[in-house]
Amino acid sequence: GAVVSQHPSWVICKSGTSVKIECRSLDFQATTMFWYRQFPKQSLMLMATSNEGSKATYEQGVEKDKFLINHASLTLSTLTVTSAHPEDSSFYICSARERGNEQFFGPGTRLTVL
Amino acid sequence: QKEVEQNSGPLSVPEGAIASLNCTYSDRGSQSFFWYRQYSGKSPELIMFIYSNGDKEDGRFTAQLNKASQYVSLLIRDSQPSDSATYLCAVKTSGTYKYIFGTGTRLKVLA
Repeated sequence: GAVVSQHPSWVICKSGTSVKIECRSLDFQATTMFWYRQFPKQSLMLMATSNEGSKATYEQGVEKDKFLINHASLTLSTLTVTSAHPEDSSFYICSARERGNEQFFGPGTRLTVL
Repeated sequence: QKEVEQNSGPLSVPEGAIASLNCTYSDRGSQSFFWYRQYSGKSPELIMFIYSNGDKEDGRFTAQLNKASQYVSLLIRDSQPSDSATYLCAVKTSGTYKYIFGTGTRLKVLA
């Protein structure tokens, strides 16, 4: 149980384009989903928290117009990186919480912006 | 600023030994603590969580929590080369479901 998937697992795009990443909870309904970013040799940094049907809450310093989050159902959240630039290249990881305190992580999406 | 601190390592232990990983946190109101294992290029995998003071054992893993000292640790018994990874300590912030992660400790188990 508690399986979270992400799609795509990796993506390469040109600077200025937008990229959408999907996060799905496969065998449970996710009360809350979280989006993290991890740069090489650094820890996970929380970008935003999203609850189904409501607007995401962004962490300080994260541009909500650049990182659009949609949590349309209890099993799906999407992160769209708009007008991506090389500095947005990173490992993006989502996690999902059912009812308890534990977060279960998706496999991550490696974004490379050329 | 709420913080979670870990020694970055690397911590090297011989195969079969006990690996001891430590984590301190600043938010005295924190109630939930988690250990994740992360292999290079992969996402974190939950190993254990602990909510109460004392020890919690699961197979070769033991989590220890001391809220008075704001300290949580992970012991790995009979360490195997496959345990070589970065171990992340995460603390759920009081009043929210958000985690704050430490920077992780890189563990190397030498065959």
